Amino acid sequence: GNSVTQMEGPVTLSEEAFLTINCTYTATGYPSLFWYVQYPGEGLQLLLKATKADDKGSNKGFEATYRKETTSFHLEKGSVQVSDSAVYFCALSPDLLDNYGQNFVFGPGTRLSVLP
Amino acid sequence: EADIYQTPRYLVIGTGKKITLECSQTMGHDKMYWYQQDPGMELHLIHYSYGVNSTEKGDLSSESTVSRIRTEHFPLTLESARPSHTSQYLCASSELTGLIYGYTFGSGTRLTVV
Repeated sequence: GNSVTQMEGPVTLSEEAFLTINCTYTATGYPSLFWYVQYPGEGLQLLLKATKADDKGSNKGFEATYRKETTSFHLEKGSVQVSDSAVYFCALSPDLLDNYGQNFVFGPGTRLSVLP
Repeated sequence: EADIYQTPRYLVIGTGKKITLECSQTMGHDKMYWYQQDPGMELHLIHYSYGVNSTEKGDLSSESTVSRIRTEHFPLTLESARPSHTSQYLCASSELTGLIYGYTFGSGTRLTVV
């Protein structure tokens, strides 16, 4: 079946440090990949997405590249801020040809804390 | 401005009470979802719907029930609340595949059963 694995948290960084949160997936065909962010006390918000291999999604200084060969979609940011402290979820939508209308599969989430 | 609304944001209720968590969306989305989020932050899908009069059980067994009488409304009901139901409940919606804009989530209802 389809699954998403993320690096375990919590991740604690100092302000302006480089961020990487690893995400790998298992799925048939060509799923679409997403990163969501959840700030304290809020629901999830879509951060970025990529719908085909080698696509790069980017938003608010975050970026992630869809790597089919390594089945990965790692989230990166060059210089984190205190306001980036949140929980980050990697997710996939199964390949439409295999699973039209199937639900997203979410990873377990990675908590990021950025210290001033 | 939120396009999906959950009420109440916080609810503290006694054991045995019946409760309904409200969720409404203004985007005309076909699919709607209910997730339970545990303290470790992992999301568990408990119910979803493909459209009006469609309700499906999710991956995590739940004692709650849902209904979808109108496209925009997807309430979740617990007939008899128990302390084990204490959790954060997130509602979400999407067009059928979710590929255009992803899932849109509400701000959640934090339920405490005492």
